[in-house]
This record gives sequence, C-alpha cells and structure tokens, in this order.
Amino acid sequence: GDSVTQMEGPVTLSEEAFLTINCTYTATGYPSLFWYVQYPGEGLQLLLKATKADDKGSNKGFEATYRKETTSFHLEKGSVQVSDSAVYFCALPPNQGAQKLVFGQGTRLTINP
Amino acid sequence: KAGVTQTPRYLIKTRGQQVTLSCSPISGHRSVSWYQQTPGQGLQFLFEYFSETQRNKGNFPGRFSGRQFSNSRSEMNVSTLELGDSALYLCASSLGDSSYGYTFGSGTRLTVV
Repeated sequence: GDSVTQMEGPVTLSEEAFLTINCTYTATGYPSLFWYVQYPGEGLQLLLKATKADDKGSNKGFEATYRKETTSFHLEKGSVQVSDSAVYFCALPPNQGAQKLVFGQGTRLTINP
Repeated sequence: KAGVTQTPRYLIKTRGQQVTLSCSPISGHRSVSWYQQTPGQGLQFLFEYFSETQRNKGNFPGRFSGRQFSNSRSEMNVSTLELGDSALYLCASSLGDSSYGYTFGSGTRLTVV
C-alpha cells in the first residue's frame, strides 16, 4: 500500500543552522503532499503542501519541492529558530480519492539557542 | 474563523468503561476524520464522515465507532476501554477533498487506567 518514510529523529540543531528533513513516499499516481507540524501539547498544523509534481510549497521560511522522479518531498529551512522545535510529519492521501491521510512516523526537531 | 474544536481536552477512564469524544469542524466543512496518535503506532486513521455518512474506515476493532450529525459535528465512541486505547485522539475537518488538506483540532488526551 501507499506509504511515507521520514528520516529518523530526533534531530538536534543549533539556532540559525540549515535544516533538512527527508521524506520519501510510495503512491499510486501523483497525490498531493503535505507537511504538518505538531508543537508540544497541541494538534497538527498544516505547514505547507504541494498538489502536483515540481510544485514548491512554502510557509514560515520552510520549503519543500514535490519531486516525482525521486518520489520525495524533503522539508528545508535555511535558518532555524528555537521556536521551530516541534515534531514534523510528512503525509499524503494514500490513493486518488481516498479521503484520509497516511503519515510518516514523525521527526522530532529540537533547536538549541 | 473558528478552528476545529474538540472536547474534552483531557479524559481519564477506567478499563471496561466507554467514552464519547466530540468534534466541531470549521464552519462549512462537511468532512470530519478521526485519528489516533500513540508513541508506538504514530498517527493512525480511524474513520471519516461526510454529510452524515461514513466514507472510510481504518483498521480498528468494532469497539471504535463514530457518527456525524446534520450540523457536521461528529462524535466518536470507544466501548469497553482497554489500557492500549490511551492515546491522543485528533479530529480533522475539510471541505471534502483530501487534496486540499485537513485542519486538525488540538485533540483529546485519553488515559485509561
């Protein structure tokens, strides 16, 4: 079945470092791809999305490009802040028309001042 | 614009009891989905409702059930609680097409003792 694989965490960086969180997927067709973020004690927030191949989603300094040739949707940020500390989830609908999301296992990010 | 509201935020129940969780979606959203989040299994899809009809169901036992009302509010019920049901239960709403993503509530933290 369709699935999402994220780089294992936890990831610890210093403030202003460059961030990459890898995400690869297997899917039927070309589904929309999402990154969600979960801050401590909260639910999930949609961080960014891309709806077709070569689309770049961006928000709050984060970016991710939908690469169908490598089936990847890596999350990047040029200069992280302490406030970016959270758990990040890559997700997709498992197939065309499926009204649900399949999530990666999540990557816990900690930014030290 | 109000977000997705889940009540209660926290619950403590005893094994064998039953519990009902509530979710009010964003106004105008007709699809409501439920997810279970645990440290071991990550985020797992429970079920999705659209216009009072269950469209999708995940791989959970029949003890887990849900419904949706005409105003799109949804409830999920877990009967005969087990210790392993302890989790964060997240509700998400959308217009009805997974391609646009979902808006999540803050969740209900259920602890079974």
